[in-house]
Amino acid sequence: SQTIHQWPATLVQPVGSPLSLECTVEGTSNPNLYWYRQAAGRGLQLLFYSVGIGQISSEVPQNLSASRPQDRQFILSSKKLLLSDSGFYLCAWNRDSTAGNTIYFGEGSWLTVV
Amino acid sequence: AQSVTQPDIHITVSEGASLELRCNYSYGATPYLFWYVQSPGQGLQLLLKYFSGDTLVQGIKGFEAEFKRSQSSFNLRKPSVHWSDAAEYFCAVVRNYGGATNKLIFGTGTLLAVQP
Repeated sequence: SQTIHQWPATLVQPVGSPLSLECTVEGTSNPNLYWYRQAAGRGLQLLFYSVGIGQISSEVPQNLSASRPQDRQFILSSKKLLLSDSGFYLCAWNRDSTAGNTIYFGEGSWLTVV
Repeated sequence: AQSVTQPDIHITVSEGASLELRCNYSYGATPYLFWYVQSPGQGLQLLLKYFSGDTLVQGIKGFEAEFKRSQSSFNLRKPSVHWSDAAEYFCAVVRNYGGATNKLIFGTGTLLAVQP
């Protein structure tokens, strides 16, 4: 069966420090991969998606970037964190681009920028 | 543009009472609709989804949802709520983006509290 892992689960970082959140999917190949952010009291916002290695699409301009160095690995990064980057980050995947294909989520990573 | 509205930010129900969480969508074509549940500090779990066919969809944990095209709604229901149902619930619709059509647009969520 397929599983998705992301880490770290919790992270407290000072303003201006770098960030790296990692996500891996097991049990499938060539998944679509996604990064979502959930800010306190708000819904989920799609940040990035990737349909293949090295292919990254950004949904909103921001202080973050994403990379996909391997088929089942998706990394969310920042060179210098801002206070506004605090939130709950969720990695997700699905099998292909068939409309409506279910997206599965990881357990999330809590980021607090202080 | 596709969008999802969940008009109730916070709902409190008594254990054993029935539940209905509202969801309205804006979409030009046949929508693909989902309900997800998020327990505190955790990821999202799929409850149910609607693609086509029977407008009453059954999901996990005793939940169901009904698609009503005339009302642009996809409300989530459960006949008898359990204390373990306390969580945040998100309605979502798929957004079309040419070749990559599986990006979910979420509502802002409804936080469900269950009182004894």
